[in-house]
Parts: sequence; C-alpha cells; structure tokens
Amino acid sequence: AQSVTQLGSHVSVSEGALVLLRCNYSSSVPPYLFWYVQYPNQGLQLLLKYTSAATLVKGINGFEAEFKKSETSFHLTKPSAHMSDAAEYFCAVRLNYGGSQGNLIFGKGTKLSVKP
Amino acid sequence: DGGITQSPKYLFRKEGQNVTLSCEQNLNHDAMYWYRQDPGQGLRLIYYSQIVNDFQKGDIAEGYSVSREKKESFPLTVTSAQKNPTAFYLCASSTGLAISTDTQYFGPGTRLTVL
Repeated sequence: AQSVTQLGSHVSVSEGALVLLRCNYSSSVPPYLFWYVQYPNQGLQLLLKYTSAATLVKGINGFEAEFKKSETSFHLTKPSAHMSDAAEYFCAVRLNYGGSQGNLIFGKGTKLSVKP
Repeated sequence: DGGITQSPKYLFRKEGQNVTLSCEQNLNHDAMYWYRQDPGQGLRLIYYSQIVNDFQKGDIAEGYSVSREKKESFPLTVTSAQKNPTAFYLCASSTGLAISTDTQYFGPGTRLTVL
C-alpha cells in the first residue's frame, strides 16, 4: 500500500533561514508526489508536484522539492524563510493502481512557524 | 473567476440532526472529492465521484452520504449516524484525466461544530 510520512509535526525557523520539511513515501511503483500549503481556516493550495519528469521541481513562492528514489523522499525546501511562509504543509502521494487510482493519500502535515 | 465554493463557512448542528454541506465548482471538472480534516491527522477521504451520477466510498464514509446529479455540484450530508462529526470539511475537484498530472483544487472549507 502507498503511504506518506512527514517527519516533524512542527518546525520552527528564523526569518531568512533555510526551510526544510521532510516527506518520505512508500510505493512499489514510481509515485506521483505533491506538496500543498494551507493557511489557517482556508483550503489547500498546490505548491508543486512531481510527475516523473525532472527530479528537482520548482514551485510557487520560492519553494522547491527534490525527488530521490534511493531515499524514497520528496523533501520541501526554501532557501530563505519569510514570515508569510507560516502555514501548514502537506505532502501527498497519488494512488496509481487499483480501483481508487488517482486518489491522493495525504501525510499528517507539518506546521511551519517563522520567528522574526 | 473559476473556482470551488463551499457553503456555509461555519455550521453548527445539534446532536441527532442531519446537515448538508454544499460544494460547487465552475472549472468543468469531472472528478470531485470530499475530505475531512482533524488536527494532527491530515486529510482523510470521505467520498469521491469521477463522473456525474456515480460516486465511491473513501476511507471514512460511514455516517456520510453524497449525491452527484450535476457535474458542478457534489453535496455532502453528515447524518446523525456519524459519531464525531465536528471537523473541517474540504471539497476538491480535478479534471479526472491524465492520472500523472491531474491536480486537485480545493475549496475554502466548511467548519462543522456539533453542539
């Protein structure tokens, strides 16, 4: 079965520091992976997605993620945190087999805090 | 503007009552989804529909029901059988095509509180 694990339910960084949010997946076949961001009391917004093209994926708001098959990881990074980056971030993997093909499996989320 | 609307934003329900959450999209998407979000648990799939007049149970369908009579609408009913309905409910839609690149777009959510 496919699943997603996000390491760290809370991450705190200083403004201007590197942001690193970790995501590991389990999949027996090549996965399709997504990162979403959620601001308080709002829906989810797509940051970026990996669909088996380039392994380094650039997204909105200066975020990027690298797909590493050998490590089964898809970590999200941003070189310099901004106060507006404070939100909850979700990693998701798309099911690519079976009757539920196409559905997303979400990690439990990581809340990012940015200190001035 | 194209997008997904959910109403109401906040909803209060007494125990034992059914309540219906609205989800409408004008993106001409075939597929629609309902998720439930609880603190620290991420999103869990309740129901999904890949085409009009068809829908499938997700991981936590017990105590919920849906209909898909129109392409643009996918209402969710939270029934009295749902033991713990207080949560944030999110609706999403996608084209339903091209499994590898299909993106789910989310509405703003409805926060349901049972009194």
